[in-house]
Amino acid sequence: QKEVEQNSGPLSVPEGAIASLNCTYSDRGSQSFFWYRQYSGKSPELIMSIYSNGDKEDGRFTAQLNKASQYVSLLIRDSQPSDSATYLCAVKPEGNNRLAFGKGNQVVVIP
Amino acid sequence: SAVISQKPSRDICQRGTSLTIQCQVDSQVTMMFWYRQQPGQSLTLIATANQGSEATYESGFVIDKFPISRPNLTFSTLTVSNMSPEDSSIYLCSVDPTGESYTFGSGTRLTVV
Repeated sequence: QKEVEQNSGPLSVPEGAIASLNCTYSDRGSQSFFWYRQYSGKSPELIMSIYSNGDKEDGRFTAQLNKASQYVSLLIRDSQPSDSATYLCAVKPEGNNRLAFGKGNQVVVIP
Repeated sequence: SAVISQKPSRDICQRGTSLTIQCQVDSQVTMMFWYRQQPGQSLTLIATANQGSEATYESGFVIDKFPISRPNLTFSTLTVSNMSPEDSSIYLCSVDPTGESYTFGSGTRLTVV
């Protein structure tokens, strides 16, 4: 079982719509969860971190965490063409200082 | 958040040679992380570098192939040794000075021919 799984294929959304990304993780003791955005040819950029069950909102982004289900999601509201990128889910396993990354989901916002 | 200067940004190298990648951080950090991102793939941790001690390598990565130096709290190097085309990847350094905000360098795009 992979530490972090993002199974959805590329996601195409019309401009202004909501993009929804999902991520599951295997280490039940994990306490820190992150979403990174990576534009083509660029390094990952942190957009959200979440540590407690529930929702965390930051501008057009909302992260949702459910530790019982070992599930993290990211919602992008009012999607813009500039949101077109690969979104990486990352988890800090218990007792570790490193991050484990999912394979990423490509989001394409269609004007 | 910390600012990382990573260089070179890209290089094309002959097989059998070595390349050293440098990362300079604008603040002191205990740990620096080196990742590899192969084409179309996610990030894989190569090793964690602590100042004053040997780097800790992840499964599948060995010191002879990826020697790391960490001479002080703001600087680290990763060398990719005896390169083959399979080493063509993006290499990234990362730090986490606050404990909860991992920042990445701009990456080194390596092509081995």
